Amino acid sequence: NAGVTQTPKFQVLKTGQSMTLQCAQDMNHEYMSWYRQDPGMGLRLIHYSVGAGITDQGEVPNGYNVSRSTTEDFPLRLLSAAPSQTSVYFCASSRLTGEAPLHFGNGTRLTVT
Amino acid sequence: DQQVKQNSPSLSVQEGRISILNCDYTNSMFDYFLWYKKYPAEGPTFLISISSIKDKNEDGRFTVFLNKSAKHLSLHIVPSQPGDSAVYFCAASAYVQFYFGTGTSLTVIP
Repeated sequence: NAGVTQTPKFQVLKTGQSMTLQCAQDMNHEYMSWYRQDPGMGLRLIHYSVGAGITDQGEVPNGYNVSRSTTEDFPLRLLSAAPSQTSVYFCASSRLTGEAPLHFGNGTRLTVT
Repeated sequence: DQQVKQNSPSLSVQEGRISILNCDYTNSMFDYFLWYKKYPAEGPTFLISISSIKDKNEDGRFTVFLNKSAKHLSLHIVPSQPGDSAVYFCAASAYVQFYFGTGTSLTVIP
C-alpha cells in the first residue's frame, strides 16, 4: 500500500514564486489535511477537507490555498512564497467515521530564500 | 494559543527501564487522543490512541493513560528499547480537527 504520497520531497523557492505541493492517498479516506512543522511549534493545521468539494481553514491558513476535486488528491498552493513559509509540510488523511487516526505522508521540505 | 502542550522537550532513559511521556491539554471538547512517533526525515507514525470514555489503553509495550479531570495524557513505554528513540507527539481531536503538541525527543541509552 502506498498510503499518503507527497511530492516533491525537497523544494527551494525564491520569494514571490508560486508552487503546488502535491498529496495523494489511496485509502479512500474522506478527510485530508495539511500541516506545517516548525522548530518548537509542533505540527500546525493549515487547511483541511472532509470530502471532495469541501475545504476549510485550520490554525495557520494565510498564504496557502487548497482545493479538493477528487477524494484522492489534496494539493496545497503557495501563490507568492515568503521566507516565513520555510518549513516541513505534511499531508495527512483519515476516515471520517468513528475514531480514526491520521495517516501521514513523509513530508516536503520547503526553503524560501 | 497552544491547546496541546508537551512541556518536556527531551527525555533520556536507560534501555529496559520505563519511559513516561506527558501531555496536557486545555480544550474540554477534545474526545479522542493519540500518540505519534516520528523519526528524522519521515512522517509521524500513529502509535496508540484513547477515547475520552476510557482512562487506559494498552498495546504491547505501550500504554496510554487519560486523566480527564486534570486534562492530562501520558504514554508509558515498558521496557524501553533503543529503537524507541524518536520524537513523540501527542495529539487531541474534536470532530475533524487534530491539534498537536510540540513533541518530546526520547533517547533510549543502550
